[in-house]
Amino acid sequence: GESVGLHLPTLSVQEGDNSIINCAYSNSASDYFIWYKQESGKGPQFIIDIRSNMDKRQGQRVTVLLNKTVKHLSLQIAATQPGDSAVYFCAENIETNAGKSTFGDGTTLTVKP
Amino acid sequence: DAGVTQSPTHLIKTRGQQVTLRCSPKSGHDTVSWYQQALGQGPQFIFQYYEEEERQRGNFPDRFSGHQFPNYSSELNVNALLLGDSALYLCASSLTQGDNAFFGPGTRLTVL
Repeated sequence: GESVGLHLPTLSVQEGDNSIINCAYSNSASDYFIWYKQESGKGPQFIIDIRSNMDKRQGQRVTVLLNKTVKHLSLQIAATQPGDSAVYFCAENIETNAGKSTFGDGTTLTVKP
Repeated sequence: DAGVTQSPTHLIKTRGQQVTLRCSPKSGHDTVSWYQQALGQGPQFIFQYYEEEERQRGNFPDRFSGHQFPNYSSELNVNALLLGDSALYLCASSLTQGDNAFFGPGTRLTVL
């Protein structure tokens, strides 16, 4: 069935380093991908998205890369800060319906000062 | 703009009871989706409402039902609660023709 998986359940980095969080998806029909950040006690917060007709998209301190050949998605966070500590989810969507997403189980990012 | 709001924040019920959770979408959004997030897992899609009708549904039993009102707000109802229904219930709003979904803070449901 449809599923989105993350390569590592946890990631620990030093403050100021760059972070890379990876995600594998299995549904080749997915055409829209979103990265969410979820802090403890809160709902997921949109970080950045990318459509299947793009390979790369940049935001403020974040970059998403999409490799459709191997069904792989990554989130790069530059100069990671303590406030970046959270659980990160990638989500895949079909037919660009952002309301219906298939989430993986997330990667917990811990930033050490 | 208050964003997506949900009520109540926390709720404790016993097995067999029924519960109703509420969601107000972000201003201007017309589509509401509900998710269940078990501890340590990613959110799982329950269903989506648009124009007061259920448009899509995930793999959840009929005990889970919903409603959308003319003002786009929505309710999630769960009947005959099971211990396994304990989770964070998230509401997300979006534009039916838009790309971005905004999540509320969730309702933490505990079933004893």
